[in-house]
Amino acid sequence: DGGITQSPKYLFRKEGQNVTLSCEQNLNHDAMYWYRQDPGQGLRLIYYSQIVNDFQKGDIAEGYSVSREKKESFPLTVTSAQKNPTAFYLCASSRTSGPIAKNIQYFGAGTRLSVL
Amino acid sequence: QQQVKQSPQSLIVQKGGISIINCAYENTAFDYFPWYQQFPGKGPALLIAIRPDVSEKKEGRFTISFNKSAKQFSLHIMDSQPGDSATYFCAASGAQGGSEKLVFGKGMKLTVNP
Repeated sequence: DGGITQSPKYLFRKEGQNVTLSCEQNLNHDAMYWYRQDPGQGLRLIYYSQIVNDFQKGDIAEGYSVSREKKESFPLTVTSAQKNPTAFYLCASSRTSGPIAKNIQYFGAGTRLSVL
Repeated sequence: QQQVKQSPQSLIVQKGGISIINCAYENTAFDYFPWYQQFPGKGPALLIAIRPDVSEKKEGRFTISFNKSAKQFSLHIMDSQPGDSATYFCAASGAQGGSEKLVFGKGMKLTVNP
């Protein structure tokens, strides 16, 4: 099955701890995205990457870091600098070419992060 | 600055009724307008999408109406079913700073009562 796999499904962070959320895709998409979802806030873009070894900040990048060493993988680290990390985190991917295909983002099932 | 405004925030309809969700956008560079459906604990999934060169697109019970001059678009769900109960997000994309990014509305929680 082609798709996006996020792990773990649930994650707990202690004070001062960094945690890493995994996102893997086998859709052969060049672009990958990380969103944060809070109740009533919609989806807010944290980071995105359009090609391996390159990524850009989204609207709420402070307190987060990413890497893109492989086309299939785009892990997100929630650092201790993120003071309010409790949220539902969603990873997505898309093509970067084609008049329609490049706009369609496919989402994983999400990781719910809570603070202990 | 919220580039895509969605209303209402929540909606309760009876089975068989019509559900209507409205969105308005500001950036005239947007050229693709998708709607995503999200069930609790799951990621959003593309439901239907439209480009501004058409005023309406229908797929089964779901219809998008698009008004380019008013910069508004809406989703109509005909014959709403309990299985349609979910959160619906409108979104818009277009070249922004050289990249294509989706901008999402805040979402609307739909409850369809049996």
